[in-house]
Amino acid sequence: KQEVTQIPAALSVPEGENLVLNCSFTDSAIYNLQWFRQDPGKGLTSLLLIQSSQREQTSGRLNASLDKSSGRSTLYIAASQPGDSATYLCAVRPVFSTDSWGKFQFGAGTQVVVTP
Amino acid sequence: EAQVTQNPRYLITVTGKKLTVTCSQNMNHEYMSWYRQDPGLGLRQIYYSMNVEVTDKGDVPEGYKVSRKEKRNFPLILESPSPNQTSLYFCASRPGLAGSYEQYFGPGTRLTVT
Repeated sequence: KQEVTQIPAALSVPEGENLVLNCSFTDSAIYNLQWFRQDPGKGLTSLLLIQSSQREQTSGRLNASLDKSSGRSTLYIAASQPGDSATYLCAVRPVFSTDSWGKFQFGAGTQVVVTP
Repeated sequence: EAQVTQNPRYLITVTGKKLTVTCSQNMNHEYMSWYRQDPGLGLRQIYYSMNVEVTDKGDVPEGYKVSRKEKRNFPLILESPSPNQTSLYFCASRPGLAGSYEQYFGPGTRLTVT
């Protein structure tokens, strides 16, 4: 069964520093991986979707890399701002199979605080 | 505006009293799913649906039911809620299983069972 882990569970950085968030998964047979942001008491906002055939995906200050063979994805946030404070989650969609065609596995998330 | 809506947003109930949490999307998405989120455990999938009348269990289906009679709606039913179902629930949708589409999430329903 796919296990998705995000370490550390919490992270605090001063404003302006680059953020590096990690996501690891145990089964490399994935279709894609998606990064989300969650603000307290709110739903999830999609940040980046990276396909299994891609090495990285970029959007503004955000860059996500994927190394399927080692079971890792990293989300980089450049020049962090207090508004980046949130919980960041990754989710893995497994390759199609009869018992996993609709399943998504989430990590527990990394709670980020950016201090002014 | 394209969105996934859930109702109610907050609910406090007692053990054993049947309840339904509604989920609706206006994007004509085929795929819909329910998750629960608990501290330290992340989001765990309860049920999902590929299309009308097609549903299947996720990782934690015990104590829950779903139905998909219309494409836009995917209600979550707790026939006899128990305190261990106290959680934050999210509904999500996406265009289909094929392709590189993202999932879109509702705002969440915070359920407390006493």
